Amino acid sequence: NAGVTQTPKFQVLKTGQSMTLQCAQDMNHEYMSWYRQDPGMGLRLIHYSVGAGITDQGEVPNGYNVSRSTTEDFPLRLELAAPSQTSVYFCASTDGTLTGELFFGEGSRLTVL
Amino acid sequence: DAKTTQPNSMESNEEEPVHLPCNHSTISGTDYIHWYRQLPSQGPEYVIHGLTSNVNNRMASLAIAEDRKSSTLILHRATLRDAAVYYCILSNEAAAGNKLTFGGGTRVLVKP
Repeated sequence: NAGVTQTPKFQVLKTGQSMTLQCAQDMNHEYMSWYRQDPGMGLRLIHYSVGAGITDQGEVPNGYNVSRSTTEDFPLRLELAAPSQTSVYFCASTDGTLTGELFFGEGSRLTVL
Repeated sequence: DAKTTQPNSMESNEEEPVHLPCNHSTISGTDYIHWYRQLPSQGPEYVIHGLTSNVNNRMASLAIAEDRKSSTLILHRATLRDAAVYYCILSNEAAAGNKLTFGGGTRVLVKP
């Protein structure tokens, strides 16, 4: 099993550019989420999904859009990148139960100049 | 939502036990206690979870106070590979699964 796969691992953007961070999982998990982690900080929840066609906002959703057209994929889109979005982004998935383990991808390091 | 409080950092010597405390004085009766760790340049990984009773697995032990207002993650023999940030997290119906809140955690340094 590949688990949770994120691409790209590294990306540099200029202010105002757009891009999509890809996330795929092969564990048939209904629940997926995106977090960002700034240097020396914990993870903050951006958006989450409880199934195909269903998404909701987390703690820091501004500047980010998500969609969930399939169970496997949960892409995160930045429409107008800003330097404040420079961070490491983690995608995660779980079966959604109270005791279910949250599986994380390896992260995508984004720098916005 | 119930919050957790952890020390910012701890040091340990290799092959010695490490006891990582977590305070959660406002925990409710249905909150589960989870621990995750994040190795350098990696995503967090699950360590252990519990509700009321102490729990053991191949990675660690979780000791939960009788009043559940605190818990301790125990690494029995620290190795260099255990150097990581350890997060203590609570989950309930409102904040479960993919909505877990990760605070600052405890950074563990293991000295050879």
